[in-house]
Order: sequence, then structure tokens, then C-alpha cells
Amino acid sequence: GQNIDQPTEMTATEGAIVQINCTYQTSGFNGLFWYQQHAGEAPTFLSYNVLDGLEEKGRFSSFLSRSKGYSYLLLKELQMKDSASYLCAVIPNDYKLSFGAGTTVTVRA
Amino acid sequence: GAVVSQHPSWVICKSGTSVKIECRSLDFQATTMFWYRQFPKQSLMLMATSNEGSKATYEQGVEKDKFLINHASLTLSTLTVTSAHPEDSSFYICSAREDRDYYEQYFGPGTRLTVT
Repeated sequence: GQNIDQPTEMTATEGAIVQINCTYQTSGFNGLFWYQQHAGEAPTFLSYNVLDGLEEKGRFSSFLSRSKGYSYLLLKELQMKDSASYLCAVIPNDYKLSFGAGTTVTVRA
Repeated sequence: GAVVSQHPSWVICKSGTSVKIECRSLDFQATTMFWYRQFPKQSLMLMATSNEGSKATYEQGVEKDKFLINHASLTLSTLTVTSAHPEDSSFYICSAREDRDYYEQYFGPGTRLTVT
């Protein structure tokens, strides 16, 4: 099976920066996604990494190191609306998205 | 952008009855659709993969006779929960993948099923 690990919960202050780490051990690798999910809603796409390095998109950035089986999602200038669950998902050789358990981020005023 | 809809968005049914959930790709053709289940405070668990015109492939531990999946067209897949029980209460989410965009999946808004 696939193994994807990320922290369960993180708390940060409005305006701060939070980094959510994700490590994976999968049968093959065809890319890594980060999704944001608010309670009771479906996941929404944040980023996709398939090559090593940093991808920046506004306040959110995602990093990938394939040799280390490691990724992180960086959230800058945190806003209250960023309080949500963040899901790391990997595409292994069977091309079926495999999700981590999700990291619940709570932003405090 | 690619839009996926689900109907109904929520449903309450009595134990022993069956419930059908529809998943539609509104502005693209989806050769592959996925059905996920998510329990509170847990991540998405893949239940099955359905390809248009062929039988669905179920993940280990998912009863294919209980969760009937039909992918009759390139824009519609249905999930029927048969003889529902309270333990089937969950958030069911579908996603769809375009043939030409092999990796990205587009998620529907989800269906909240409560079995009483």
C-alpha cells in the first residue's frame, strides 16, 4: 500500500507563516498534489508538483524533493479563511490519487 | 474550468433503503470517475474507479454488491448504496478525470448521507 504522512494539526496566528510537511513512500511517483478542504466541502486544488523544487502561487508555495520523498506546503500571510484541512496526495503507478490523513490548520486572531 | 456536480448534496434515509447519488461532469467528458468516502476528521478513502462503458474497479474491503456503480455515459456516473445502514453514513465525494489531462482530477461538491 501507499504511505503518506502529514501532521494532524497545526495552529498559527493571523499574518504568520505555516509550513505543512508531507512525507511519502509509494509504489512509483507521478506527481504530488496539495488540496484545501473546508469542513463539509469537497477538496479544492492548490498545487501540483512533479519535478523537484519550489512552486510559488501567491500566498501559497509548494516544494518537492523526490529523492527524499518529501514535500511541504507553505502558507504565508495567514488569513482566518485559511483555517481548513490541507491534504497531501500522491499519484503512484496505478494513477489513483492516494491521500494523506490531512492537516487541520487553525488560524487564530 | 472543469466543473463536476453531485446530486443530491445531502440525503437522509431509513435503514434498509437504497440511495442513489449522481455525479456529472458539466463541461467536459470524463472517461474515468472516482468515488471516495470520507468519515469525520478522516481523509478521503477511494472506494472505486469507474470507466465509461465498463465495470467499476473496487478497492479492497469495499463491497461491490452494496455500493453499485454505473458509468453509463462520458458525463454521468452513479453510486447506489443498497440496503443502507447507519454505519454507511458518511460524506461521499466523486471526482472526474479528462482523458487528455491524465493526472488532475476535478472534485464534485460531495453528498452527505445520513442513515437513520
